[in-house]
Amino acid sequence: DQQVKQNSPSLSVQEGRISILNCDYTNSMFDYFLWYKKYPAEGPTFLISISSIKDKNEDGRFTVFLNKSAKHLSLHIVPSQPGDSAVYFCAASGETDKLIFGTGTRLQVFP
Amino acid sequence: GAVVSQHPSWVICKSGTSVKIECRSLDFQATTMFWYRQFPKQSLMLMATSNEGSKATYEQGVEKDKFLINHASLTLSTLTVTSAHPEDSSFYICSARGARGGDEQFFGPGTRLTVL
Repeated sequence: DQQVKQNSPSLSVQEGRISILNCDYTNSMFDYFLWYKKYPAEGPTFLISISSIKDKNEDGRFTVFLNKSAKHLSLHIVPSQPGDSAVYFCAASGETDKLIFGTGTRLQVFP
Repeated sequence: GAVVSQHPSWVICKSGTSVKIECRSLDFQATTMFWYRQFPKQSLMLMATSNEGSKATYEQGVEKDKFLINHASLTLSTLTVTSAHPEDSSFYICSARGARGGDEQFFGPGTRLTVL
């Protein structure tokens, strides 16, 4: 039972444009959401997070939007840069410390 | 700050041997450490949660006798894969959550285990 889903396994975006990565979840008890960036053979790197009491959080080029009624969150990267090319995981947590990860979306930013 | 290291970064072993992976928080005290496993092109799957000085809590389907976890201090947790088999070949990643609170987990660089 995949509680956190990223339905797009890959995304290709031109440099300078906006990248939008989507994530859906099923557990209404989740109250904290995070996005991680991961390169092959490396551990994930924290990017940005959002609490369920908010619907938007922004940090530089990264903005996360949360739609609780739809159980959906998205990560916007603008402008996209070639160095952003990586696999992006969304993750969610609830009452416990456990992070439940999505399946990841591979972002490729081309010149 | 918030650096987590893992050692070794990769290991190749023969089937039936045991392998120990270390996870260290270098600049903070980690009250809780987590161990994940990632198979190729799949998500990170939580294996177990360990709190310093207490027994680890394993996720359903993870054999605690096979994957021994020790969280002996606030800066060190170890995962020992006992009697490793080829199907245990995977990328093992630890993360740590600091005593200062917050929900962010800081991840180690991972350990690639290949069992021949």
